[in-house]
Amino acid sequence: AQSVTQLGSHVSVSEGALVLLRCNYSSSVPPYLFWYVQYPNQGLQLLLKYTTGATLVKGINGFEAEFKKSETSFHLTKPSAHMSDAAEYFCAVSDKGATNKLIFGTGTLLAVQP
Amino acid sequence: NAGVTQTPKFQVLKTGQSMTLQCAQDMNHEYMSWYRQDPGMGLRLIHYSVGAGITDQGEVPNGYNVSRSTTEDFPLRLLSAAPSQTSVYFCASSPGNGYTFGSGTRLTVV
Repeated sequence: AQSVTQLGSHVSVSEGALVLLRCNYSSSVPPYLFWYVQYPNQGLQLLLKYTTGATLVKGINGFEAEFKKSETSFHLTKPSAHMSDAAEYFCAVSDKGATNKLIFGTGTLLAVQP
Repeated sequence: NAGVTQTPKFQVLKTGQSMTLQCAQDMNHEYMSWYRQDPGMGLRLIHYSVGAGITDQGEVPNGYNVSRSTTEDFPLRLLSAAPSQTSVYFCASSPGNGYTFGSGTRLTVV
């Protein structure tokens, strides 16, 4: 069975500071990994995904994540936070098999202080 | 392309009433899923489908039914609504390497 753990339900950073949101996964098969963002009262938007190939993945809005198989991690980073980055971020894992089930972590709410 | 379309956007039900949340996608995606989102719990998978005529249970299927008679449509049925089903519901579709989400249905059961 697959699962995702997001460490820190709330993270606060200053504008211009590094953003680091942590995600660890469990999967019995090689996974696909995703980060989604949700702005208040909106749906989910895909930030980036890892399927195969290069383990450092670049996404929209300056975010990137690195797949580390040995650590079963897929942490999300951004060098310099903007006020507009304030949102909830969800890490998710799916299998590469027949079901394609997507399982989410519980989310991290990012606050950006001026 | 409209993407994933969910209707209605808002709904209030009385306990014991039934209703169907509609979901349609126009991208010819094989895979479709329903999630509920509750504060502090992320998105939890209710039911999913790997193609027309094939559905299966997710993490929290109790109280919900689904069917997939066409590739495009994946309705979610609440047979007898309960206050515990108050939530925001999201439908999503995928070609196999990532999901596109609808804008959600906010359901309140009183």
